[in-house]
Amino acid sequence: EAGVVQSPRYKIIEKKQPVAFWCNPISGHNTLYWYLQNLGQGPELLIRYENEEAVDDSQLPKDRFSAERLKGVDSTLKIQPAELGDSAVYLCASSTGAFSGETQYFGPGTRLLVL
Amino acid sequence: DAKTTQPPSMDCAEGRAANLPCNHSTISGNEYVYWYRQIHSQGPQYIIHGLKNNETNEMASLIITEDRKSSTLILPHATLRDTAVYYCIVSGNTGKLIFGQGTTLQVKP
Repeated sequence: EAGVVQSPRYKIIEKKQPVAFWCNPISGHNTLYWYLQNLGQGPELLIRYENEEAVDDSQLPKDRFSAERLKGVDSTLKIQPAELGDSAVYLCASSTGAFSGETQYFGPGTRLLVL
Repeated sequence: DAKTTQPPSMDCAEGRAANLPCNHSTISGNEYVYWYRQIHSQGPQYIIHGLKNNETNEMASLIITEDRKSSTLILPHATLRDTAVYYCIVSGNTGKLIFGQGTTLQVKP
């Protein structure tokens, strides 16, 4: 069974440029998560989707970050414009549901460097 | 969601058992204990989780104390490839994972 797929794996951009990350969850997983991981820190949740609905986006900086999951499968996370402090790893995870006892499976992440 | 406390780092000799402790004294009745690990430049990898009973799978064993206030992850025969950051997480009703700093396990030859 294929795991969570993310692309690109690495991205280097100049500040003020836009950038987008793509995630394809495990087949049949209705719940999708985007996490941000700064160097030396644990991942932090940005947004959670149940199918196509964003049900927890309280940690998403909405002035520059946006996300979508139009058909309830793939998802895209966008930053516009990027700032130097956005350099980090962006992780996608998925699970069959979002309730106690469920397991989230993570993709390899996209490593972003903003110059 | 309950917080967890882990030692920042541990060493283990290759081939020996690695026992990673975790304190979660504020855990509530319906919260699970999860363990993930993260090898450099990879995404977090699920290891094991449990509610009350001890659990074992092909990767590890999870021992949860009777009062559920602490747990231990056991890697029975550590290899160099087990060198990673290990996260102990308590997850509540929504399945939300709040990662701490984790324990950096260094397996030495």
